[in-house]
Amino acid sequence: DVKVTQSSRYLVKRTGEKVFLECVQDMDHENMFWYRQDPGLGLRLIYFSYDVKMKEKGDIPEGYSVSREKKERFSLILESASTNQTSMYLCASSFGQGDQPQHFGDGTRLSIL
Amino acid sequence: AQKITQTQPGMFVQEKEAVTLDCTYDTSDQSYGLFWYKQPSSGEMIFLIYQGSYDEQNATEGRYSLNFQKARKSANLVISASQLGDSAMYFCAMREPRALNDYKLSFGAGTTVTVRA
Repeated sequence: DVKVTQSSRYLVKRTGEKVFLECVQDMDHENMFWYRQDPGLGLRLIYFSYDVKMKEKGDIPEGYSVSREKKERFSLILESASTNQTSMYLCASSFGQGDQPQHFGDGTRLSIL
Repeated sequence: AQKITQTQPGMFVQEKEAVTLDCTYDTSDQSYGLFWYKQPSSGEMIFLIYQGSYDEQNATEGRYSLNFQKARKSANLVISASQLGDSAMYFCAMREPRALNDYKLSFGAGTTVTVRA
């Protein structure tokens, strides 16, 4: 089975802190994704990567950056956390073909105080 | 403009009955893919079923089937013989291949299903 592991289920940080969310997948997937999920808005794509060191902006990249130094690991960085970044963050990965489903981690519920 | 519309914020269904979750989409592409995911209260997103725009048959996976009506741009999920474990939020998503390495999904707002014993 595909395993996508996010480093924390719950995280509490303070405004202005630099926050790192880590995601690791064990299926040699080319593509990796970071979403945030807010009530009534579904999932919104922050960034994605289709190869090592490659990254593409999603729909809401402002205030975030990403890093993919190794194929299995995709990190989301909140450069200076703000309260409006309190949310559920979901990491996903998939093979390169378009009809392959994305496989998700369990999510990180991040609170910025 | 919203690409995926799920008009039912919440639904109740009796155990062992069937339930249909609505999903309409908006695209000008001829080639696209539609996905349904389930999210239980524990938070993980579970892939349920996929339908490609060129697939002539409606997709089925066990108790899940996708009622694909291309002309109406709808891709409704049907869950047959509902079980208590089906209580969850369900998301419809679409992939439009706008570029060679573009595998992004657009998600709807979700529908919460509660199965009653």
